Amino acid sequence: DAKTTQPTSMDCAEGRAANLPCNHSTISGNEYVYWYRQIHSQGPQYIIHGLKNNETNEMASLIITEDRKSSTLILPHATLRDTAVYYCIVRVGLLNRKLIWGLGTSLAVNP
Amino acid sequence: NAGVMQNPRHLVRRRGQEARLRCSPMKGHSHVYWYRQLPEEGLKFMVYLQKENIIDESGMPKERFSAEFPKEGPSILRIQQVVRGDSAAYFCASSLPDRYSGNTIYFGEGSWLTVV
Repeated sequence: DAKTTQPTSMDCAEGRAANLPCNHSTISGNEYVYWYRQIHSQGPQYIIHGLKNNETNEMASLIITEDRKSSTLILPHATLRDTAVYYCIVRVGLLNRKLIWGLGTSLAVNP
Repeated sequence: NAGVMQNPRHLVRRRGQEARLRCSPMKGHSHVYWYRQLPEEGLKFMVYLQKENIIDESGMPKERFSAEFPKEGPSILRIQQVVRGDSAAYFCASSLPDRYSGNTIYFGEGSWLTVV
Protein backbone atom coordinates (compact mmCIF):
# COMPACT_ATOMS: atom_id res chain seq x y z
CA ASP A 1 0.00 0.00 0.00
CA ALA A 2 1.05 3.56 -0.65
CA LYS A 3 2.50 5.40 2.33
CA THR A 4 0.91 8.67 1.26
CA THR A 5 -2.58 10.14 1.20
CA GLN A 6 -3.68 12.86 -1.19
CA PRO A 7 -7.00 14.51 -2.03
CA THR A 8 -8.71 12.82 -4.94
CA SER A 9 -9.17 15.98 -6.97
CA MET A 10 -8.52 19.70 -6.97
CA ASP A 11 -9.30 22.69 -9.14
CA CYS A 12 -7.18 25.71 -9.84
CA ALA A 13 -7.66 28.85 -11.92
CA GLU A 14 -5.19 29.43 -14.71
CA GLY A 15 -2.40 31.77 -13.64
CA ARG A 16 -2.92 31.14 -9.94
CA ALA A 17 -0.75 29.01 -7.70
CA ALA A 18 -1.74 25.38 -7.30
CA ASN A 19 -0.99 23.93 -3.86
CA LEU A 20 -1.20 20.16 -3.72
CA PRO A 21 -0.99 18.60 -0.24
CA CYS A 22 0.32 15.17 0.71
CA ASN A 23 0.34 13.34 4.04
CA HIS A 24 3.09 10.83 4.79
CA SER A 25 2.87 10.46 8.56
CA THR A 26 4.81 7.16 8.71
CA ILE A 27 7.79 8.35 6.69
CA SER A 28 11.19 7.14 7.90
CA GLY A 29 14.23 9.33 8.34
CA ASN A 30 16.00 8.18 5.19
CA GLU A 31 13.00 8.16 2.88
CA TYR A 32 12.65 10.80 0.20
CA VAL A 33 9.43 12.45 -0.92
CA TYR A 34 9.03 12.40 -4.70
CA TRP A 35 6.45 14.10 -6.89
CA TYR A 36 5.51 12.95 -10.36
CA ARG A 37 2.67 13.87 -12.63
CA GLN A 38 0.93 11.99 -15.40
CA ILE A 39 -0.87 13.70 -18.21
CA HIS A 40 -3.52 11.53 -19.79
CA SER A 41 -2.07 8.68 -21.89
CA GLN A 42 1.52 9.72 -21.22
CA GLY A 43 4.28 8.42 -19.02
CA PRO A 44 4.87 9.79 -15.52
CA GLN A 45 6.95 12.94 -15.52
CA TYR A 46 9.36 13.65 -12.68
CA ILE A 47 8.73 17.01 -10.98
CA ILE A 48 10.78 17.34 -7.83
CA HIS A 49 11.98 15.49 -4.75
CA GLY A 50 13.24 16.29 -1.27
CA LEU A 51 14.41 14.79 2.00
CA LYS A 52 14.17 17.47 4.71
CA ASN A 53 14.66 20.88 3.21
CA ASN A 54 12.36 22.80 0.92
CA GLU A 55 13.28 22.47 -2.72
CA THR A 56 12.63 24.55 -5.83
CA ASN A 57 13.29 23.95 -9.50
CA GLU A 58 12.02 25.33 -12.79
CA MET A 59 8.78 23.40 -12.51
CA ALA A 60 7.70 23.66 -8.90
CA SER A 61 8.48 24.12 -5.23
CA LEU A 62 8.31 21.45 -2.56
CA ILE A 63 7.59 22.43 1.02
CA ILE A 64 8.22 19.70 3.63
CA THR A 65 7.04 20.25 7.20
CA GLU A 66 9.62 20.16 9.95
CA ASP A 67 8.34 16.84 11.30
CA ARG A 68 8.33 15.49 7.69
CA LYS A 69 4.82 14.12 8.10
CA SER A 70 3.41 16.14 5.25
CA SER A 71 4.44 18.15 2.23
CA THR A 72 2.99 20.53 -0.34
CA LEU A 73 3.80 20.78 -4.02
CA ILE A 74 3.41 24.31 -5.35
CA LEU A 75 2.97 25.14 -9.02
CA PRO A 76 3.46 28.90 -8.86
CA HIS A 77 1.54 29.91 -12.00
CA ALA A 78 -0.63 27.05 -13.18
CA THR A 79 -1.38 26.73 -16.89
CA LEU A 80 -3.87 24.56 -18.75
CA ARG A 81 -1.00 22.19 -19.59
CA ASP A 82 -0.56 21.48 -15.89
CA THR A 83 -3.84 19.58 -15.86
CA ALA A 84 -2.76 16.08 -14.82
CA VAL A 85 -2.76 13.52 -12.04
CA TYR A 86 -0.12 14.39 -9.44
CA TYR A 87 1.47 11.64 -7.41
CA CYS A 88 3.25 12.07 -4.10
CA ILE A 89 5.50 9.09 -3.40
CA VAL A 90 7.67 8.05 -0.50
CA ARG A 91 10.53 6.02 -1.79
CA VAL A 92 10.72 2.65 -0.05
CA GLY A 93 12.20 -0.78 -0.71
CA LEU A 94 15.67 -2.26 -1.11
CA LEU A 95 18.15 0.49 -1.74
CA ASN A 96 15.20 2.84 -2.18
CA ARG A 97 14.42 1.38 -5.60
CA LYS A 98 10.72 0.65 -5.52
CA LEU A 99 8.14 3.40 -5.95
CA ILE A 100 4.74 2.68 -4.41
CA TRP A 101 2.08 4.65 -6.23
CA GLY A 102 -1.26 5.74 -4.82
CA LEU A 103 -4.11 7.17 -6.87
CA GLY A 104 -2.79 10.72 -6.77
CA THR A 105 -4.61 14.04 -7.06
CA SER A 106 -6.36 14.88 -10.28
CA LEU A 107 -5.67 18.58 -10.82
CA ALA A 108 -7.89 20.49 -13.22
CA VAL A 109 -6.62 23.91 -14.25
CA ASN A 110 -9.52 25.99 -15.49
CA PRO A 111 -9.41 28.99 -17.84
CA ASN B 1 19.99 13.31 -24.08
CA ALA B 2 17.24 11.10 -25.32
CA GLY B 3 14.84 9.99 -22.65
CA VAL B 4 13.70 6.46 -21.88
CA MET B 5 12.59 4.95 -25.17
CA GLN B 6 9.86 2.35 -25.37
CA ASN B 7 8.46 0.48 -28.30
CA PRO B 8 6.04 -0.32 -29.56
CA ARG B 9 3.83 2.46 -28.23
CA HIS B 10 0.72 0.47 -29.03
CA LEU B 11 0.41 -3.28 -29.46
CA VAL B 12 -2.62 -5.41 -30.18
CA ARG B 13 -2.47 -9.13 -29.55
CA ARG B 14 -5.02 -11.93 -29.73
CA ARG B 15 -5.52 -14.11 -26.69
CA GLY B 16 -2.81 -16.76 -26.51
CA GLN B 17 -0.22 -14.81 -28.46
CA GLU B 18 3.03 -13.41 -27.10
CA ALA B 19 3.77 -9.77 -26.43
CA ARG B 20 7.29 -8.33 -26.35
CA LEU B 21 7.86 -4.82 -25.07
CA ARG B 22 11.23 -3.14 -25.45
CA CYS B 23 12.89 -0.43 -23.43
CA SER B 24 16.12 1.50 -23.95
CA PRO B 25 17.18 3.39 -20.81
CA MET B 26 18.50 6.91 -20.75
CA LYS B 27 22.15 7.29 -21.68
CA GLY B 28 24.36 6.37 -18.74
CA HIS B 29 21.59 4.62 -16.83
CA SER B 30 22.27 1.02 -15.89
CA HIS B 31 19.08 0.34 -13.91
CA VAL B 32 15.77 -0.46 -15.52
CA TYR B 33 12.31 -0.86 -13.99
CA TRP B 34 9.01 -2.04 -15.38
CA TYR B 35 5.65 -0.88 -14.06
CA ARG B 36 2.12 -1.75 -15.12
CA GLN B 37 -0.90 0.53 -15.02
CA LEU B 38 -4.36 -0.92 -15.34
CA PRO B 39 -7.18 1.41 -16.42
CA GLU B 40 -8.13 3.93 -13.72
CA GLU B 41 -5.43 2.65 -11.37
CA GLY B 42 -2.01 3.78 -10.18
CA LEU B 43 1.23 2.27 -11.38
CA LYS B 44 2.28 -1.08 -9.93
CA PHE B 45 5.92 -2.09 -9.66
CA MET B 46 6.78 -5.26 -11.55
CA VAL B 47 10.53 -5.78 -11.77
CA TYR B 48 13.88 -4.05 -11.30
CA LEU B 49 16.90 -5.07 -13.36
CA GLN B 50 20.52 -4.19 -13.83
CA LYS B 51 22.56 -5.38 -16.79
CA GLU B 52 22.24 -9.19 -16.94
CA ASN B 53 20.70 -9.33 -13.46
CA ILE B 54 17.20 -9.34 -12.04
CA ILE B 55 17.41 -7.53 -8.71
CA ASP B 56 13.79 -7.48 -7.56
CA GLU B 57 10.93 -9.24 -9.33
CA SER B 58 8.52 -9.19 -6.44
CA GLY B 59 5.82 -7.53 -8.54
CA MET B 60 5.95 -9.92 -11.47
CA PRO B 61 3.11 -12.41 -11.92
CA LYS B 62 4.41 -15.91 -11.28
CA GLU B 63 3.50 -17.25 -14.69
CA ARG B 64 3.73 -16.04 -18.29
CA PHE B 65 5.72 -12.88 -17.48
CA SER B 66 9.48 -12.53 -17.78
CA ALA B 67 11.97 -9.70 -18.09
CA GLU B 68 15.56 -9.40 -19.14
CA PHE B 69 18.18 -6.70 -19.55
CA PRO B 70 21.02 -8.18 -21.60
CA LYS B 71 24.57 -6.91 -21.74
CA GLU B 72 23.84 -5.46 -25.16
CA GLY B 73 20.52 -4.12 -26.35
CA PRO B 74 17.28 -3.03 -24.75
CA SER B 75 15.43 -4.48 -21.81
CA ILE B 76 12.59 -6.79 -22.84
CA LEU B 77 9.34 -7.49 -20.99
CA ARG B 78 7.82 -10.65 -22.38
CA ILE B 79 4.27 -11.81 -21.81
CA GLN B 80 3.43 -15.27 -23.05
CA GLN B 81 -0.08 -16.52 -23.86
CA VAL B 82 -1.67 -13.15 -23.24
CA VAL B 83 -5.14 -12.90 -21.72
CA ARG B 84 -7.57 -9.98 -21.71
CA GLY B 85 -6.54 -9.07 -18.17
CA ASP B 86 -3.05 -8.26 -19.45
CA SER B 87 -4.43 -5.26 -21.31
CA ALA B 88 -2.71 -2.31 -19.67
CA ALA B 89 -0.09 0.37 -20.09
CA TYR B 90 3.42 -0.88 -19.39
CA PHE B 91 5.94 1.72 -18.37
CA CYS B 92 9.67 1.36 -18.36
CA ALA B 93 11.89 3.58 -16.24
CA SER B 94 15.60 3.97 -15.68
CA SER B 95 18.03 5.47 -13.21
CA LEU B 96 21.70 5.89 -12.42
CA PRO B 97 23.69 3.29 -10.43
CA ASP B 98 23.32 2.78 -6.70
CA ARG B 99 26.09 5.08 -5.58
CA TYR B 100 23.88 8.05 -6.40
CA SER B 101 21.68 8.08 -3.31
CA GLY B 102 18.20 9.51 -3.81
CA ASN B 103 18.71 9.45 -7.56
CA THR B 104 15.73 10.01 -9.76
CA ILE B 105 13.81 7.40 -11.73
CA TYR B 106 12.75 8.62 -15.18
CA PHE B 107 9.90 7.07 -17.13
CA GLY B 108 9.24 6.37 -20.76
CA GLU B 109 6.02 7.14 -22.58
CA GLY B 110 4.70 3.62 -22.15
CA SER B 111 3.56 0.72 -24.27
CA TRP B 112 -0.20 0.20 -24.45
CA LEU B 113 -1.10 -3.46 -24.81
CA THR B 114 -4.57 -4.42 -25.93
CA VAL B 115 -5.56 -8.08 -25.91
CA VAL B 116 -8.54 -8.93 -28.12
